[in-house]
Amino acid sequence: QQQVKQSPQSLIVQKGGISIINCAYENTAFDYFPWYQQFPGKGPALLIAIRPDVSEKKEGRFTISFNKSAKQFSLHIMDSQPGDSATYFCAARVTYSGAGSYQLTFGKGTKLSVIP
Amino acid sequence: NAGVTQTPKFQVLKTGQSMTLQCAQDMNHEYMSWYRQDPGMGLRLIHYSVGAGITDQGEVPNGYNVSRSTTEDFPLRLLSAAPSQTSVYFCASSEDRGGYEQYFGPGTRLTVT
Repeated sequence: QQQVKQSPQSLIVQKGGISIINCAYENTAFDYFPWYQQFPGKGPALLIAIRPDVSEKKEGRFTISFNKSAKQFSLHIMDSQPGDSATYFCAARVTYSGAGSYQLTFGKGTKLSVIP
Repeated sequence: NAGVTQTPKFQVLKTGQSMTLQCAQDMNHEYMSWYRQDPGMGLRLIHYSVGAGITDQGEVPNGYNVSRSTTEDFPLRLLSAAPSQTSVYFCASSEDRGGYEQYFGPGTRLTVT
């Protein structure tokens, strides 16, 4: 019920190409969908996020597309650069209004390699 | 601001030993959490806290204890280490209970032999 399914597990893209990572979920209680970027040896860091009442959000070269009816969302990286090589995690938040808290459920991650 | 700090960076334990992973944040964040990261498994929530004195279990709490006596500190205790607890552990904090951005520490790599 809490699961977030992420694909592909790994991705190799030429410099300048478009990287696309997909996530799907089942739990309709999820109310916020962030993407985290992790470089080797570091902790994850927030990259971009979207709420389910919006179909697309763009920040620079990074775009989230969200399809509420299909319960799917994806990250697009335009003009991919070698510096984008990292592991990307999608996540989904469920909020517990009574307890005033939340939990994030993460996908299993996608290792992106951008080759020159 | 140091952000979220974790100690130690690396640790090797023998099966059955106990230890505490330290986590501290200097951003006055209410919400703190512990995750473990295993290859191909993503990040899985162990325990979390919405404020001093309040903790709750996440997805994989067995074998771990937490307490939150101050806003700044959120230690994770392994009671009796098992090889299945070999993992990279991340502590994270966020400003409010909405979790719009979690700030992660640099991680602790734990090996249990």
